[in-house]
Amino acid sequence: GQQLNQSPQSMFIQEGEDVSMNCTSSSIFNTWLWYKQDPGEGPVLLIALYKAGELTSNGRLTAQFGITRKDSFLNISASIPSDVGIYFCAGRHAGGTSYGKLTFGQGTILTVHP
Amino acid sequence: AAGVIQSPRHLIKEKRETATLKCYPIPRHDTVYWYQQGPGQDPQFLISFYEKMQSDKGSIPDRFSAQQFSDYHSELNMSSLELGDSALYFCASSPRSRANTGELFFGEGSRLTVL
Repeated sequence: GQQLNQSPQSMFIQEGEDVSMNCTSSSIFNTWLWYKQDPGEGPVLLIALYKAGELTSNGRLTAQFGITRKDSFLNISASIPSDVGIYFCAGRHAGGTSYGKLTFGQGTILTVHP
Repeated sequence: AAGVIQSPRHLIKEKRETATLKCYPIPRHDTVYWYQQGPGQDPQFLISFYEKMQSDKGSIPDRFSAQQFSDYHSELNMSSLELGDSALYFCASSPRSRANTGELFFGEGSRLTVL
């Protein structure tokens, strides 16, 4: 099945540092989304991207929809301890009835040291 | 604000037993999705419903079935449980008008352990 390659798998950073993670795919997606998951909780939507080249910010988070529609990145600036968690990229293909059928990346585990 | 409610939060079953998970979507959300997340894995799409009809199907085993009821809640039924079915099962919902955005609201999940 369709796979998203997300990297890095894990990151250990100091509080205040910036973070960058990305996802690539062999096929085109119409929508890229970034979710954060805390232990034992469901994923929570951080940012959604709908157009190739789109750059969107949500507070300290910035994400971009790649021009080729096959990749996306997420940046977190000035990290704080509560940024700890697992970050997933997710892609959605266009059309049909697959509105909520998301393909998730493998996740990036972020650890922030105070 | 009301969120997606899943029950039970934790469930322990023996092999070959049956389990039923329930999902209550956010009010006025008419579309429900089920995802399975194995240990250390990313969520995998199982099945979705819109207006009580199955709208899409993913990698859901034949031993599993699901339905959406008139009040929009959904149930995932799993029979002949196997050890490999141990996972977090997430339900997500969205209003149909926003379903095309891929913006799903996830519940906290039901953790199934099969012994």
